Parts: sequence; C-alpha cells; structure tokens
Amino acid sequence: GDSVTQMEGPVTLSEEAFLTINCTYTATGYPSLFWYVQYPGEGLQLLLKATKADDKGSNKGFEATYRKETTSFHLEKGSVQVSDSAVYFCALSDPGRGSTLGRLYFGRGTQLTVWP
Amino acid sequence: NAGVTQTPKFQVLKTGQSMTLQCAQDMNHNSMYWYRQDPGMGLRLIYYSASEGTTDKGEVPNGYNVSRLNKREFSLRLESAAPSQTSVYFCAGKGTLGNTIYFGEGSWLTVV
Repeated sequence: GDSVTQMEGPVTLSEEAFLTINCTYTATGYPSLFWYVQYPGEGLQLLLKATKADDKGSNKGFEATYRKETTSFHLEKGSVQVSDSAVYFCALSDPGRGSTLGRLYFGRGTQLTVWP
Repeated sequence: NAGVTQTPKFQVLKTGQSMTLQCAQDMNHNSMYWYRQDPGMGLRLIYYSASEGTTDKGEVPNGYNVSRLNKREFSLRLESAAPSQTSVYFCAGKGTLGNTIYFGEGSWLTVV
C-alpha cells in the first residue's frame, strides 16, 4: 500500500545552517507529494507541493523536488531561521486510489529546532 | 474567509463521558476528514466524507462516529470516551479541484 517514510527527528540546527529532511514514498500510482508544517500549538499548514515527476515545490525559502527515480521528496532550505522551528510532515495523495477522496498518507513528522 | 473551523479547542473528559467535536468549512469542500495526531504516529485518518450524505471509515474508526450534517459541517462524536482517545484531533477539507487538503487548528482532548 501507499506509505511515506521520513527521517526521524529531532533535528537541531543553528540559525543560518542548511536543512535537509529526507522523505521517501511508496505508491502504486502517480502520487502528488506535499510538505506540511505545524508550528507549536497550531494546525497543519501546507508548505509546498509537487504534482508530477521533476516538479519543484517552493515556498518561504523551502524547496523539494519530486524524484520519481528515487521515490523521494526531500525538503531543503539553505539558511534556516529560529522562526522555522516546527514539526514538518511529508505526505502523499495518490489519485489512482480514490482521487475523489483525496486521502493523504503522512509520515511521522520531524521536529526541527533552530537555535539563535 | 475562516477556512476550516473546529470547536472546542481544548476539552477534558472523564472516562465514559460523551462529546462531539464540531467542524465547519466555508471553502466549498466536497470532501471532509477527521484525523487524530499522537506522538510519533503522524496523523491517522479516523473517518472521512467524500460528499454530503456519505461517510466512510478510515484507519482508526473504533470508538468514534461521524455525521456529515450538510456540505459545510462534519462532526465527530465520542460516545464513551476512553483514555486511549486522548489526542489532538484535526478536521480537514478538500475541494473538487486539485488535491490539497486544508486543516483546522486542532482540538486538544484529554480523557482522564
């Protein structure tokens, strides 16, 4: 079945460090891929998405490229800030398996803490 | 435009009590969802509704019931709360175009 595996946390970085959070997926169709961010005490917000192979999603300095050959969607940011401290979730939605339902399969989340 | 709104934000229940979590969306979503979030488990789907008048079980439906009252509202009911239902609950919605799901701010539920 469909699934998402993302790197275990927590991840602790100093401000302006480079960030990578790995995410790989398993899907039978051609999924859309997402990164969601959850700030402390809040709900999940869509950070970026990519809907087909080689697409790059980007937002707020974060980027992720849909790599079909490696089934990966790693999240990167060149210079993190204290305000980026949050939990990051990788997710997929496979339109070939009930696209009208749009069910998302989530990774377990990666806690990022950025120190000044 | 409030998006997806859920209430209450915080609730403490005693074992065996019942309660309903309310969710409403003003984004004209056809599909609505209830997830629970537990430490180290990510988000797990409890129930979903593909359209008004239909509901289906997700990964972890036991102990819950739902009602899709109309297109805007999708409620989650705990008939007899158990400590294992202590969690953060998220309502979400998805429209007909694209496949992005939008989440509410969450409801923190503690069962003692």
